[in-house]
Amino acid sequence: GAGVSQTPSNKVTEKGKYVELRCDPISGHTALYWYRQSLGQGPEFLIYFQGTGAADDSGLPNDRFFAVRPEGSVSTLKIQRTERGDSAVYLCASSLTLWGQGSEAFFGQGTRLTVV
Amino acid sequence: QKEVEQNSGPLSVPEGAIASLNCTYSDRVSQSFFWYRQYSGKSPELIMSIYSNGDKEDGRFTAQLNKASQYVSLLIRDSQPSDSATYLCAGSNTGNQFYFGTGTSLTVIP
Repeated sequence: GAGVSQTPSNKVTEKGKYVELRCDPISGHTALYWYRQSLGQGPEFLIYFQGTGAADDSGLPNDRFFAVRPEGSVSTLKIQRTERGDSAVYLCASSLTLWGQGSEAFFGQGTRLTVV
Repeated sequence: QKEVEQNSGPLSVPEGAIASLNCTYSDRVSQSFFWYRQYSGKSPELIMSIYSNGDKEDGRFTAQLNKASQYVSLLIRDSQPSDSATYLCAGSNTGNQFYFGTGTSLTVIP
C-alpha cells in the first residue's frame, strides 16, 4: 500500500482478554517499529524489527507483550491478560533501512486500545 | 534526566510570526534527530531530520542542531493557523533506539 496500515483502528477489550494489533508496513521497508503513546505523552518505544528478527525488544514493558514479524513484512503485536494501564494508542512505523541511517520512518494511523 | 526533553507549552504565536520550538537531549542520544508534527488524534508526520551540527532549512522550517550544548530546535517562519499542532522531537542512539520528547503544543492565532 501507499502507507503504513494498522488494524483495527480502534479496539475495546475487557480486562484480562488477549488482543492482537496488526501493522502492514510500506512495501519494501525492512525496518518496523512499534511505539505506544498515552494521552499527552510522546511515543514510547516498544520493539523494532530488522527483517524477521526483533533487533531490540527492550521497550516491551513486561512478558505480557510480544511481537512477531514472521515473513519480514506484516507484524503483529500481541498483548495477553490486558490491563487497564495498557490503554493507549499503539503506533507502528516503518523505514526503508534502519531509521536514522539515511532512512526516515513513516507512521501508521495507530490502533487506539481501550481496556475496560 | 529523560533522553529527550521538551517544554510541553502551550506555545502561542500570532499568524505570520516565527515559532521557536526547543528540545534538549541526554548523553544517551547522540546520532540523528527528527521533528515530527502531530495533529490531534492523528499519527506523527515527519517535518525535518538533521544529522550534523548547524542549520538545515526546508521551506518555512529550519532545524538547528548543537551537539556541544545538546539541543535541537525547530523554527517555523511565517506561522500559519494550519501549523497548530503538537511538535515532537525525537533522537536516536547508536543502538538505533529512538526516543521521543513529550511534545510541544503550538497554537497559531489568526
